[in-house]
Amino acid sequence: RKEVEQDPGPFNVPEGATVAFNCTYSNSASQSFFWYRQDCRKEPKLLMSVYSSGNEDGRFTAQLNRASQYISLLIRDSKLSDSATYLCVVPGAGNQFYFGTGTSLTVIP
Amino acid sequence: DGGITQSPKYLFRKEGQNVTLSCEQNLNHDAMYWYRQDPGQGLRLIYYSQIVNDFQKGDIAEGYSVSREKKESFPLTVTSAQKNPTAFYLCASSIGADSPLHFGNGTRLTVT
Repeated sequence: RKEVEQDPGPFNVPEGATVAFNCTYSNSASQSFFWYRQDCRKEPKLLMSVYSSGNEDGRFTAQLNRASQYISLLIRDSKLSDSATYLCVVPGAGNQFYFGTGTSLTVIP
Repeated sequence: DGGITQSPKYLFRKEGQNVTLSCEQNLNHDAMYWYRQDPGQGLRLIYYSQIVNDFQKGDIAEGYSVSREKKESFPLTVTSAQKNPTAFYLCASSIGADSPLHFGNGTRLTVT
């Protein structure tokens, strides 16, 4: 089983829609979780950090379900500019990080 | 402003040549990382360093070498032994456990 797994999508949603991505992780001892946004041919940029049950920042909400070992990212009122790949990242032992393969989102006018 | 600087942004080399990618950070982070990303693929760890003068191999270290002589700097050398060196290379740093990665803006290497 991979350390971190994501549905690669693609997710194609209309403007204004609400979309949610899930990310499952294998290490039950993980304490922190990160969502990154990566635009085409650019570096990943930190979108949200999750250290407890969840986090909210404007239209973005991340929720952690420790019992089922998954983190979700919810985007409300999708904008065209939200089109990107969203990466789930979980720290592991020895200061290593485990990456999901990313979920591709396209917001359609 | 603090951050991570990778240079150059684009690099072109002939097959058989070694090439060194620069990564400098002024965030005072102990841990630094090199990742490789191929088109449509996820990030794969090449090497990482948790402290000066120490580094460990990642999942795909063959054909690469690194050094960590200063806290701020973690250069990556792509050697002629790397079979498919053309890729997008990302350097990152972290303050430590349970803290996020901060990425440089990447170096796109093309070897022909």
